[in-house]
Amino acid sequence: ETGVTQTPRHLVMGMTNKKSLKCEQHLGHNAMYWYKQSAKKPLELMFVYNFKEQTENNSVPSRFSPECPNSSHLFLHLHTLQPEDSALYLCASSQDRKANYGYTFGSGTRLTVV
Amino acid sequence: QQQVKQSPQSLIVQKGGISIINCAYENTAFDYFPWYQQFPGKGPALLIAIRPDVSEKKEGRFTISFNKSAKQFSLHIMDSQPGDSATYFCAASQGQNFVFGPGTRLSVLP
Repeated sequence: ETGVTQTPRHLVMGMTNKKSLKCEQHLGHNAMYWYKQSAKKPLELMFVYNFKEQTENNSVPSRFSPECPNSSHLFLHLHTLQPEDSALYLCASSQDRKANYGYTFGSGTRLTVV
Repeated sequence: QQQVKQSPQSLIVQKGGISIINCAYENTAFDYFPWYQQFPGKGPALLIAIRPDVSEKKEGRFTISFNKSAKQFSLHIMDSQPGDSATYFCAASQGQNFVFGPGTRLSVLP
């Protein structure tokens, strides 16, 4: 384990379902991130939280809704997704927003939308 | 300016050979260049990183070569092993700006 835990590891959901992805880190980091990883595409930054405050939303559709109740936990709420949203969703954390020592990633949630 | 280019897209190397992956960037403000290794079913993990004040950094079989004037950096894996088979991502960052390359899928044949 890297210190960043994501659950569930796999998720299959219908387009009308509502589900949530969870991320937890015990590294004492203050910045947390959601990334989308699709086949043959670069990692896509979705959301950034710094000290529990959302600092970036990279034009992500509103069917993705992040929540950060504290510096250790990050959620991604999903509703009315499309098949093209199927991907590996990665959570990451860093000491602070400057990420001078890089990111620590979780193992991801493999999402399939049917 | 924010893009990091990475090549090749895929690489096949025999066991014991040298694997070389190249990256190039445009933004001269980048000051941190990490490489990440990702195995199937796992998230990327930091492998090795370099800052522009040095031209080379070595950790075990992994070496980063950095050419500031050419705005290029590369990862060399010496004595490549089947266990090195993974996807490798280069990245470049400056402050809050963190950009990943598209990845290279490395297969090391036994």
